[in-house]
Amino acid sequence: EAGVVQSPRYKIIEKKQPVAFWCNPISGHNTLYWYLQNLGQGPELLIRYENEEAVDDSQLPKDRFSAERLKGVDSTLKIQPAELGDSAVYLCASSPPAGELFFGEGSRLTVL
Amino acid sequence: AQSVTQLDSQVPVFEEAPVELRCNYSSSVSVYLFWYVQYPNQGLQLLLKYLSGSTLVESINGFEAEFNKSQTSFHLRKPSVHISDTAEYFCAVSDKTGANNLFFGTGTRLTVIP
Repeated sequence: EAGVVQSPRYKIIEKKQPVAFWCNPISGHNTLYWYLQNLGQGPELLIRYENEEAVDDSQLPKDRFSAERLKGVDSTLKIQPAELGDSAVYLCASSPPAGELFFGEGSRLTVL
Repeated sequence: AQSVTQLDSQVPVFEEAPVELRCNYSSSVSVYLFWYVQYPNQGLQLLLKYLSGSTLVESINGFEAEFNKSQTSFHLRKPSVHISDTAEYFCAVSDKTGANNLFFGTGTRLTVIP
């Protein structure tokens, strides 16, 4: 069974450019999470979806970050415009209801 | 809200020696506790978890952790480490509402020295 798939694995952009990350969760997992992992830190939740509804986006910087999960399956996280401080790893995870989280390999963003 | 403290950012240990990675948590409600492992350039993998029942939980690769409610700790131990255990280890906590919101510590980098 395929795990959580994220793309791209690596992205290098210049500041003020837009960037988007894509996540395909494990089939049947209705809960999807986006986490931010800064260098030397633990992951921090950005947004959590239950099916297509964002039920916790309190930590998502809404001035430049946006996310969507159309049809309750795949999800996209966008940053526009990117800033130097956005350089980090963006992790996607999925889980069944009240079940274990499974993480993707992450998308590493470098903003120059 | 919950929080997790991992005081040791780096732990070097010789191969076949024992190791303990410390984790303390803070919460006003009952919690679930987890240890995740992250190998270089890979995503996080669940190593073990405490949900209820026996306070000592074990993983398939020889790690164990003990939930200590009075000390609010969930330390990870292994009696004899291998080179392949070199990785970053994250302790995490979630409340019991079923929301599955994990709060992670800052991680401990375990380096096993040949």
